[in-house]
Amino acid sequence: GAGVSQSPRYKVAKRGQDVALRCDPISGHVSLFWYQQALGQGPEFLTYFQNEAQLDKSGLPSDRFFAERPEGSVSTLKIQRTQQEDSAVYLCASSLKGEGSPLHFGNGTRLTVT
Amino acid sequence: QQPVQSPQAVILREGEDAVINCSSSKALYSVHWYRQKHGEAPVFLMILLKGGEQKGHDKISASFNEKKQQSSLYLTASQLSYSGTYFCGTGFTGRRALTFGSGTRLQVQP
Repeated sequence: GAGVSQSPRYKVAKRGQDVALRCDPISGHVSLFWYQQALGQGPEFLTYFQNEAQLDKSGLPSDRFFAERPEGSVSTLKIQRTQQEDSAVYLCASSLKGEGSPLHFGNGTRLTVT
Repeated sequence: QQPVQSPQAVILREGEDAVINCSSSKALYSVHWYRQKHGEAPVFLMILLKGGEQKGHDKISASFNEKKQQSSLYLTASQLSYSGTYFCGTGFTGRRALTFGSGTRLQVQP
């Protein structure tokens, strides 16, 4: 596709529900990142994939958060037993190669936990 | 380890210039600059790599002072389309992910 695609664009979940957020990166991009952005703040790193390998998950806030990229393209971020503090915009970004490559961001998924 | 951006917000008239600063307490490998408009994805502006270079395109340029671990983004003759929140993202050797600052909100008025 032309850019990074994320779905759904908006998600409302009741506290305790599980959610799955999808990211379709630019074709051929090796690196994929998930970031969490709270209102009025900069993106905060969650996790990083190089192809299908999850090389860094140091930013995941708890074991309720899980991400996968099984075939090295589409990625899913899953949040189990959602809490109100999980409400944020979840941004996915991809880049062509290693260090020094620009990140191409999707429009994000706005998650609201009620 | 989050970089510090200044100022937090700035209001300009069309045609005026602005400088946005980004400082890190840790040795930097790279600095990225992005602009985000409300409700949209951050858009890449430029990357500066270790080496103190200056880059630019159109009326937006940036510098990277390796000794001071600082980068500055220069916006000259600002246009209405420059409005948005500017983020610097810092890269460190051995860590692929960027760490972003909390942003500088820029508003250009007619």
